[in-house]
Amino acid sequence: DTGVSQNPRHKITKRGQNVTFRCDPISEHNRLYWYRQTLGQGPEFLTYFQNEAQLEKSRLLSDRFSAERPKGSFSTLEIQRTEQGDSAMYLCASSTGAGGISNQPQHFGDGTRLSIL
Amino acid sequence: QQQVKQSPQSLIVQKGGISIINCAYENTAFDYFPWYQQFPGKGPALLIAIRPDVSEKKEGRFTISFNKSAKQFSLHIMDSQPGDSATYFCAASKGSGNTGKLIFGQGTTLQVKP
Repeated sequence: DTGVSQNPRHKITKRGQNVTFRCDPISEHNRLYWYRQTLGQGPEFLTYFQNEAQLEKSRLLSDRFSAERPKGSFSTLEIQRTEQGDSAMYLCASSTGAGGISNQPQHFGDGTRLSIL
Repeated sequence: QQQVKQSPQSLIVQKGGISIINCAYENTAFDYFPWYQQFPGKGPALLIAIRPDVSEKKEGRFTISFNKSAKQFSLHIMDSQPGDSATYFCAASKGSGNTGKLIFGQGTTLQVKP
């Protein structure tokens, strides 16, 4: 399978705990995006990486959220001191930057569903 | 700030019928308009996409119609099948030096009755 892979698929944790999610993009894709999707809504942009550089962060991304993409390969999203409102599906997507066109098709993983008790 | 508005919220169509979902956008800098299909427990899957230099794009049973002056675009699913029952999202993004992040509509839940 050469698609976008996300782990874990499900995470249940108590309020106040820290959680970390991993995304492995399609291997030749240098662009990586994180989105958050709550029930009945469309995904909302959180942050964007081009190779290892984090180039944009949404205002939705509070200081409890941090993301990394070391060496421009896989990416991690960490949430510290989780709150009830963090319960959502966290989606990762990747795309190429071929031809200098920044908005190439984005391919999504199946997400990590986070439930805060 | 809702930059992409999608309607209807839900849609019921008989097998073999045509499903039509509409989206409207506000930002004229958007230049890429994809549609995604999402099944429960899965991530969104790219269905078809269009750029504003064409008014229509067809792939199999799926067609995007694009009206640049009205800032609207729509998805038409011909010969709808029960397997098409899913949630559909339109989206838009800006290229040309931007990050390409997608702004999604609110989604349309499609049910195709056998």
